Amino acid sequence: EAAVTQSPRSKVAVTGGKVTLSCHQTNNHDYMYWYRQDTGHGLRLIHYSYVADSTEKGDIPDGYKASRPSQENFSLILELASLSQTAVYFCASSDAAGGSNERLFFGHGTKLSVL
Amino acid sequence: GQQVQQSPASLVLQEGENAELQCNFSTSLNSMQWFYQRPEGSLVSLFYNPSGTKQSGRLTSTTVIKERRSSLHISSSQITDSGTYLCAISSGSWQLIFGSGTQLTVMP
Repeated sequence: EAAVTQSPRSKVAVTGGKVTLSCHQTNNHDYMYWYRQDTGHGLRLIHYSYVADSTEKGDIPDGYKASRPSQENFSLILELASLSQTAVYFCASSDAAGGSNERLFFGHGTKLSVL
Repeated sequence: GQQVQQSPASLVLQEGENAELQCNFSTSLNSMQWFYQRPEGSLVSLFYNPSGTKQSGRLTSTTVIKERRSSLHISSSQITDSGTYLCAISSGSWQLIFGSGTQLTVMP
């Protein structure tokens, strides 16, 4: 089974502070994604990447940056955390673009609370 | 309006009962996937099913493109089936659009 590891599992941040969420995959997958999930809602795509040193904007990129320093690692950066960014964040990987005939493998999620 | 709508929003069953979860979409379909979110939050892929019927154990997914719907049938539900079931589609581009999920609780 493919492995996607996120850290930290939970974090409390202060408004205006910087937050970095990390994701590591051992699947040798080209595609990696960051999604956020708000209580009672589905997942929304923030950023994704299909190759190291390159990232792309998803549906809701405002307030977030992403970094893909290697095939295995993909980070999500909140330079100035805001209350509205309180959510659960999921990292995922796939061998090809997520809407094709390829399964997405998710990490366990990071619960972020911004106070 | 929402492109992907799931129903019911929540469902409570007695162990052994069957469940039928619905996913309706308002756009054309490139792909359709079902995911299971465990009570502790982790997500697993259940089916990639853009058309037709697929079965895996007690789970059956049926997608009817012309009716713009997909269903997930759970037979003989077990307590361990409890959690949230999410459907997601892609339309036009490859990016997945998720529904809000059906929260299933199976009681002993």
